[in-house]
Amino acid sequence: AQTVTQSQPEMSVQEAETVTLSCTYDTSESDYYLFWYKQPPSRQMILVIRQEAYKQQNATENRFSVNFQKAAKSFSLKISDSQLGDAAMYFCAYRSEYFTGNQFYFGTGTSLTVIP
Amino acid sequence: DTGVSQNPRHKITKRGQNVTFRCDPISEHNRLYWYRQTLGQGPEFLTYFQNEAQLEKSRLLSDRFSAERPKGSFSTLEIQRTEQGDSAMYLCASSFTGGSEKLFFGSGTQLSVL
Repeated sequence: AQTVTQSQPEMSVQEAETVTLSCTYDTSESDYYLFWYKQPPSRQMILVIRQEAYKQQNATENRFSVNFQKAAKSFSLKISDSQLGDAAMYFCAYRSEYFTGNQFYFGTGTSLTVIP
Repeated sequence: DTGVSQNPRHKITKRGQNVTFRCDPISEHNRLYWYRQTLGQGPEFLTYFQNEAQLEKSRLLSDRFSAERPKGSFSTLEIQRTEQGDSAMYLCASSFTGGSEKLFFGSGTQLSVL
């Protein structure tokens, strides 16, 4: 089974600064999707950004961007110009390209604190 | 698009009681997932529906757990004879085929078994 590892249980960043959250995954597949989800205190998971494995170009969404290193099986999230509203748990997730039912695997999360 | 709705938001029950949770997915979504999340962990897969068909169940889903999705619309997750280890957040998510593989989550049902 695929595994997703987030080695940073907690991170903090000064408001307006940049922070990078790490994620690695293990898979034998060549086609898959990677995601970063945000879970604020309200507990509702919100999609932050998505990356297709076949695309070499790193995905970006406004202040959020990823560094996708397929060979290294690494998928980090960079948050630029951090805002107080970015404080949340961040989960990295993997989804197989192939329809096998449960395609989504989540890491254990990184708790991000934004310091005013 | 009213989002994924879950009810109730919180449920407190005594050990041994049965509980039922409801999930209303986004209306055009044909796929529905149930996940369980405990404190400090990421969501763990429980079961998955495509339309009304339950296509996969995790080994985490013991015989005390059952899920249904009649008519491919809303879904219910029932836990019989609850145990303290069942205390967790139960998350529902939905997506649709060809929808860029994005999951949309509800706010979850927090279950506390006393």
